[in-house]
Amino acid sequence: DTGVSQNPRHKITKRGQNVTFRCDPISEHNRLYWYRQTLGQGPEFLTYFQNEAQLEKSRLLSDRFSAERPKGSFSTLEIQRTEQGDSAMYLCASSRRYSGANVLTFGAGSRLTVL
Amino acid sequence: AQTVTQSQPEMSVQEAETVTLSCTYDTSESDYYLFWYKQPPSRQMILVIRQEAYKQQNATENRFSVNFQKAAKSFSLKISDSQLGDAAMYFCAYRGGGGSEKLVFGKGTKLTVNP
Repeated sequence: DTGVSQNPRHKITKRGQNVTFRCDPISEHNRLYWYRQTLGQGPEFLTYFQNEAQLEKSRLLSDRFSAERPKGSFSTLEIQRTEQGDSAMYLCASSRRYSGANVLTFGAGSRLTVL
Repeated sequence: AQTVTQSQPEMSVQEAETVTLSCTYDTSESDYYLFWYKQPPSRQMILVIRQEAYKQQNATENRFSVNFQKAAKSFSLKISDSQLGDAAMYFCAYRGGGGSEKLVFGKGTKLTVNP
């Protein structure tokens, strides 16, 4: 169990550029989640996958955001035409369903700074 | 929509003492789950404790326990025998029981442990 891995850890980009973040979940976890955390706030839910299917998507996820999880393994989160308001920590988490509430294992996050 | 409120932006405690972090939530659901997550500086978020709403017994995990008051919609975290390693941001989170995988987080409480 190597934990949830996120890359890159930090990304600085200019407004209008596209960025992509990658998340590698714990191998036996079939559920994967993306959250966004801005300074001084708690994480906000963006989207959730079960295997390769994107089952839930927040209204926060505008048309400029897209997430994929091909083959139900790693996931990517792409932000097109970045804006300064996109600056945040993007957190990935994974879980394996068992009885009751899923327990999420979070990655260390990918910090985005849009200049 | 469900909301989670943490009214204490910052708290401090002396090492070996006990501290209680407050959390209230708003929901119309009867079946749901509540969590406390810990986010140490520059490290990933980890689960501290969770509570199923249908369980009347308060959850405990070693030095961590909760006071779950369903009618009052209150879910406080008590940390006993505080240790320096307990210093972190603590987030209260809610997940509905209706099939959504979305966690709703509060804004967090920054806990400082003084030696």
